[in-house]
Amino acid sequence: KAGVTQTPRYLIKTRGQQVTLSCSPISGHRSVSWYQQTPGQGLQFLFEYFSETQRNKGNFPGRFSGRQFSNSRSEMNVSTLELGDSALYLCASGTATGVETQYFGPGTRLLVL
Amino acid sequence: AQSVSQHNHHVILSEAASLELGCNYSYGGTVNLFWYVQYPGQHLQLLLKYFSGDPLVKGIKGFEAEFIKSKFSFNLRKPSVQWSDTAEYFCAVNADSGYALNFGKGTSLLVTP
Repeated sequence: KAGVTQTPRYLIKTRGQQVTLSCSPISGHRSVSWYQQTPGQGLQFLFEYFSETQRNKGNFPGRFSGRQFSNSRSEMNVSTLELGDSALYLCASGTATGVETQYFGPGTRLLVL
Repeated sequence: AQSVSQHNHHVILSEAASLELGCNYSYGGTVNLFWYVQYPGQHLQLLLKYFSGDPLVKGIKGFEAEFIKSKFSFNLRKPSVQWSDTAEYFCAVNADSGYALNFGKGTSLLVTP
């Protein structure tokens, strides 16, 4: 089985712009979660989707949003980028019940200048 | 709010030394516990997990962890480390079978030949 794929792998944006990141889960997985990884804050949960519904959301501002499509692929969007949004954004896919086993993708490294 | 603490931020060991990485969490309800590893340049991978039953769980590559409920701890151990164990190790907690993983800040392990 192919693993979790994330595109793009690297991205450079400037402050004020918006960005969309994509995640394709492992075939058959319907849960997709997003995490932000930074040196200072570590790994922080952004949100989780299952069957196109957001089931849980972390403590991030409304500039961070996401969605899931009927084929389980997910996108996250960050609007009005700030320097502090520079991070590695990780996507994880899992089975219907969520966190029993999550498989992480390679991440998208976002640099905001 | 629940939190996960990893006491050792950086650990340096010689090959064949024994390893123990500490992890404590603050949450009084039902928890699922995980250790993930991130090798240089690679994805986050699941090392082992605890949901219920035997509090001593065995994972991949000779790692094991012990859940001590009274101490809110889930320490990771390996009797004899190898150079290839050089990586970042993350403890994570999922509370009440929710849909988010709460990660510790990670421990960077360097194994010297």
